Formats: sequence, C-alpha cells, structure tokens
Amino acid sequence: NAGVTQTPKFQVLKTGQSMTLQCAQDMNHEYMSWYRQDPGMGLRLIHYSVGAGITDQGEVPNGYNVSRSTTEDFPLRLLSAAPSQTSVYFCASSPVGTSGGEQYFGPGTRLTVT
Amino acid sequence: GENVEQHPSTLSVQEGDSAVIKCTYSDSASNYFPWYKQELGKGPQLIIDIRSNVGEKKDQRIAVTLNKTAKHFSLHITETQPEDSAVYFCAANGGTYKYIFGTGTRLKVLA
Repeated sequence: NAGVTQTPKFQVLKTGQSMTLQCAQDMNHEYMSWYRQDPGMGLRLIHYSVGAGITDQGEVPNGYNVSRSTTEDFPLRLLSAAPSQTSVYFCASSPVGTSGGEQYFGPGTRLTVT
Repeated sequence: GENVEQHPSTLSVQEGDSAVIKCTYSDSASNYFPWYKQELGKGPQLIIDIRSNVGEKKDQRIAVTLNKTAKHFSLHITETQPEDSAVYFCAANGGTYKYIFGTGTRLKVLA
C-alpha cells in the first residue's frame, strides 16, 4: 500500500492564481481531511469528509474548496491564492469510527504564494 | 467549538530522563485524544491515543494520562533517547470528526 500520497511536493504561485492540491489514499478509508501547518500554530483543519459526496468545513475553510467524488481522492482547491495561504498542507485519512481513530498523514505540500 | 492548549512549546531533556507534555481541552464532548510525533520534513505519525473511558494507557516508554474532570491529558516519555527528538502534537475531537490540534512541543533530547 502506498498509504496517503500528495502532489505536488512543492509549489510556488502568484497572488490570484488558482491551483489544486491532490490527495489520494489506497486504504479504503472513509474519512479524509486537509490541514495547514504554520509555524507556532500547529495543524489547523481546513475541510474534512466522512465519505464520498460528503464534505464539511473545519477551523479555517475560507479561500479553499473541496469535493469528494470517490473514496480514494480528496482534492483541495485554492480559488484565488493569497500570500496568507503560504503554508505546508497535509492530507490525512482514517477509518470512520464512532469515537475517532488514527489519522494517516501524507508527506505534505509546501506552498508559497508571492 | 473545541480549543486545545499545549505546553511547553519547547522542552530539552538529558538522554535517559523523562519528558512530560501537557494539553488542556475545552469541549466536554471530546472523547478521543491522540498524540502525534512529527519528524523534520515528514507528516505527523500517531504514537499513542486514549479514549474518554480510560484514565491511562501505556505503550513501552510512552504513556498518556487523561483527567476528564480537569479536562487535561498528558504525554509521558520515559528513558528518553536521541531519536525521541521531534515535534509532538496533542489533539481532541470535540466528540465529532473536527480534530483540533495543540500548537506543538519541540522536544530535544541531549546526548
């Protein structure tokens, strides 16, 4: 199993550009999530999904869109990039359980917006 | 919503000593409390977790304690080794799937 994969590893965008961060998992996990990690602020939840066709907002959803058309994929879209979105982005997946479970994180995407 | 505070932000210990990291949470609905270890350039990895119906859990040199009344939980690492040096994050789930993470503790184990 490849686990959770993310592409690209690095990306530089200009302000106002759009892009999609890709995330895929091959563990048949129902739960998938996106976090951003900034220095001194830990991991902050952007969006999450508990199954195909179901998404919900996390702590910091503004400026980001997600969709979940398949169990395997959970792309994160930046509609109009801003310097404040410079961060490291992590995707994670987990089996859905009634009271939480281990999340498996991808290797991250480092995004710089100039 | 849930809020998680984590202390200290940095911790230096001598090899072989113990390390303790503490977290407090605000939402009494939280019922799952994981701890993650993040090495440089990698994604976080679960090292131990505890559910609200348990007060303590141990896995070799790592243990977690939970005090539901005080709404705090702690990570204990005994006999620290250089490979324990990393950033550690606590988290709580607010009784849902909206995991809220602490701000992290950078642990340095000095040889």
